[in-house]
Amino acid sequence: DAGVIQSPRHEVTEMGQEVTLRCKPISGHNSLFWYRQTMMRGLELLIYFNNNVPIDDSGMPEDRFSAKMPNASFSTLKIQPSEPRDSAVYFCASSLRVSVAAHYSNQPQHFGDGTRLSIL
Amino acid sequence: KQEVTQIPAALSVPEGENLVLNCSFTDSAIYNLQWFRQDPGKGLTSLLLIQSSQREQTSGRLNASLDKSSGRSTLYIAASQPGDSATYLCAVLSGNTPLVFGKGTRLSVIA
Repeated sequence: DAGVIQSPRHEVTEMGQEVTLRCKPISGHNSLFWYRQTMMRGLELLIYFNNNVPIDDSGMPEDRFSAKMPNASFSTLKIQPSEPRDSAVYFCASSLRVSVAAHYSNQPQHFGDGTRLSIL
Repeated sequence: KQEVTQIPAALSVPEGENLVLNCSFTDSAIYNLQWFRQDPGKGLTSLLLIQSSQREQTSGRLNASLDKSSGRSTLYIAASQPGDSATYLCAVLSGNTPLVFGKGTRLSVIA
């Protein structure tokens, strides 16, 4: 089975440019998560979708960040304009949400290999 | 606010040794706890997930235990191998909050 697919794997761009990160979740999964990983702060959740609807975007750092999920098989995370402090590894993860009692999925999350973003 | 701590931050052991990685969390009202492995330049791979009603989970040479009342989990790796070298992260799901991750333990198994 194909896992979570992210593109690009690496992105180097200049400050002020628009950056778009892409994610294809595992087929059949109905929850999708965007994370950011840095040495200082570790893994942080940016936004969470369930059935293509954003549920919690409280982790999105600023208005410069936006995420969409137009259908069950595709999501984007956009940064506009980008800044050097946005440099990090961005991960997408998906899971199958079967619990209705918990706000968040109660099943294992499956991660993509990430996008290493460098803003110069 | 849930906080997850992993000790030690780094660990180096000779091949064949049994070892224990520790994870502690501040809020014991959890739904589940998950252990992940992360290889350099890669994403996270889920190793074991323990529901709040469970005490332990096993997969091959890995055994994870959960003690909710004390806010602790351990990941036991038996007969360690160089291929086990990676960073191991634990993450806790509780209430209506996102999965909270520890900073990880970086494991090196020396041949």
